[in-house]
Amino acid sequence: NAGVMQNPRHLVRRRGQEARLRCSPMKGHSHVYWYRQLPEEGLKFMVYLQKENIIDESGMPKERFSAEFPKEGPSILRIQQVVRGDSAAYFCASSLRTGGDYEQYFGPGTRLTVT
Amino acid sequence: TQLLEQSPQFLSIQEGENLTVYCNSSSVFSSLQWYRQEPGEGPVLLVTVVTGGEVKKLKRLTFQFGDARKDSSLHITAAQPGDTGLYLCAGGGGKLIFGQGTELSVKP
Repeated sequence: NAGVMQNPRHLVRRRGQEARLRCSPMKGHSHVYWYRQLPEEGLKFMVYLQKENIIDESGMPKERFSAEFPKEGPSILRIQQVVRGDSAAYFCASSLRTGGDYEQYFGPGTRLTVT
Repeated sequence: TQLLEQSPQFLSIQEGENLTVYCNSSSVFSSLQWYRQEPGEGPVLLVTVVTGGEVKKLKRLTFQFGDARKDSSLHITAAQPGDTGLYLCAGGGGKLIFGQGTELSVKP
């Protein structure tokens, strides 16, 4: 059973470009979460999605960031007009259901570097 | 706002020593998870504790959930270099809140 897959593993973008990060959840999982890990900071929640729905985006920056989880295909985290402060590791996790007893499994992450 | 505080932040020990990592909060959590993360990789789930007072063992690792479900601890017996990594506690259900982590280094 394949785990959570993320691609690309490393992404370099110049300031002002767009970054697209992809996440395929574990087989059978319909809940996807995105987290960001900044240097010297812990993992911070960004957004929680189910198929075709954003459930909680309280951790997403108000501008330039968006996320989707279409009916078919992977979940996408999109960052428009990237700035140096967006450089971080972005992790996707998936779970069978949501709530305290349903464990989240993480992918290997995408390391975004903005030059 | 729910917060999780881990201590210590850094721990450097010799192979064979025992250690304990703590995860504390002023809030009650329905469950807590412990993850281990290696450089360049994502967090790997070690265990979930759900019931107050619960103790779970995973080989040389012992996890405990406080009676009031506000704190948890991870104890490693006879640490090995392969235990080196970042240990994270997390809680909160769908929107996981993470502690800042404990960087463990076990020297041979």
